[in-house]
Amino acid sequence: EPEVTQTPSHQVTQMGQEVILRCVPISNHLYFYWYRQILGQKVEFLVSFYNNEISEKSEIFDDQFSVERPDGSNFTLKIRSTKLEDSAMYFCASSEARYRGMAKNIQYFGAGTRLSVL
Amino acid sequence: EDQVTQSPEALRLQEGESSSLNCSYTVSGLRGLFWYRQDPGKGPEFLFTLYSAGEEKEKERLKATLTKKESFLHITAPKPEDSATYLCAVQAMIGGADGLTFGKGTHLIIQP
Repeated sequence: EPEVTQTPSHQVTQMGQEVILRCVPISNHLYFYWYRQILGQKVEFLVSFYNNEISEKSEIFDDQFSVERPDGSNFTLKIRSTKLEDSAMYFCASSEARYRGMAKNIQYFGAGTRLSVL
Repeated sequence: EDQVTQSPEALRLQEGESSSLNCSYTVSGLRGLFWYRQDPGKGPEFLFTLYSAGEEKEKERLKATLTKKESFLHITAPKPEDSATYLCAVQAMIGGADGLTFGKGTHLIIQP
């Protein structure tokens, strides 16, 4: 069964360093998303991406964050200068489309990358 | 602002003891309501999507229902392997609103 894969599973970094989290969405999916979940809190939307552009972003997704689809398979989230409060699980998700017909807007999630900022 | 409230926060059941989890929502036009299962340290695993009031979906011991204000996840004769956190999320109909708004989840423990 197709799945979203994320690497690395755990990333440890020093405050102020740049990190890149990587995701391989499901192959026929066109919409890609990043979410985060701080320990013990709810899953929060960060950004959605379609056709090489950001289609929606939340207030959390400030200038420190950027996303990119560098090739035909990878989707990345970059945090330029990490802060202690960026420590969280980061989930990548993908969907076939955004319209709800034939359930094509279902978002499938990866296993996540645990980011620890020291 | 879209909001999702789940109750109870935690629920402990004996194996075979049926119950229901609640998800109350407010959204500016519902494009879809989603139920996910999340195991510790893992990503949300898709269970069901519901689109219209009155709709029901069923899978093994789980059944999801939807009204205009809330959704229920009914679990019938649960087994210990059903232990997990169950997440409810909504997606708004507004153009460009692709992100899901999640509730805090219900942490379900099924004791043998």
